[in-house]
Amino acid sequence: AQSVTQLGSHVSVSEGALVLLRCNYSSSVPPYLFWYVQYPNQGLQLLLKYTSAATLVKGINGFEAEFKKSETSFHLTKPSAHMSDAAEYFCAVRTNTGNQFYFGTGTSLTVIP
Amino acid sequence: DARVTQTPRDKVTEMGQEVTMRCQPILGHNTVFWYRQTMKQGLELLAYFRNRAPLDDSGMPKDRFSAEMPDATLATLKIQPSEPRDSAVYFCASGTGFGTDTQYFGPGTRLTVL
Repeated sequence: AQSVTQLGSHVSVSEGALVLLRCNYSSSVPPYLFWYVQYPNQGLQLLLKYTSAATLVKGINGFEAEFKKSETSFHLTKPSAHMSDAAEYFCAVRTNTGNQFYFGTGTSLTVIP
Repeated sequence: DARVTQTPRDKVTEMGQEVTMRCQPILGHNTVFWYRQTMKQGLELLAYFRNRAPLDDSGMPKDRFSAEMPDATLATLKIQPSEPRDSAVYFCASGTGFGTDTQYFGPGTRLTVL
């Protein structure tokens, strides 16, 4: 079975500070991992995805995530938060044998000026 | 810039009425997903299709919800009769299938059942 756990439903950071959003997964087979962002009143938009080519994945808007198999983690980071980063972030997992995505419960990021 | 489109964007209806939501997947995508998002439950998968055939609709209340793909360019989600607990944002997403495929989400339909 596949599942995703996002630690912290709400994260607040100051503008310019490091953003760290945590995601741990469980998967019986090598997974594909994704981070999506959802701005208010919009659909989910892909930030980045891990497809086994490289463990450090760079995405849009300065975000990146590192796949750590030993820790079953795929945490999302950004060196310096911007006000426009305030949104809901979802981690998702799928296996290479299935269509279905398994989404985490989401982390709401607030950026304090 | 190819996008998933959904109509209507907002729908307010009264309990007991039929609701139909429509989704146009990205041209060439052969998988379509319906999700429901609420504050309480988060993002829930209702159903998904591959090549227009339903693969899994176990997330859907069978007695009132139905999902179909009349053709490759249209997916529909119907609720009959609607209930206040159905109030949510319903998202459609499409993709190309297995492997490194990504799901592309539509803007959602915000449903309010009074």
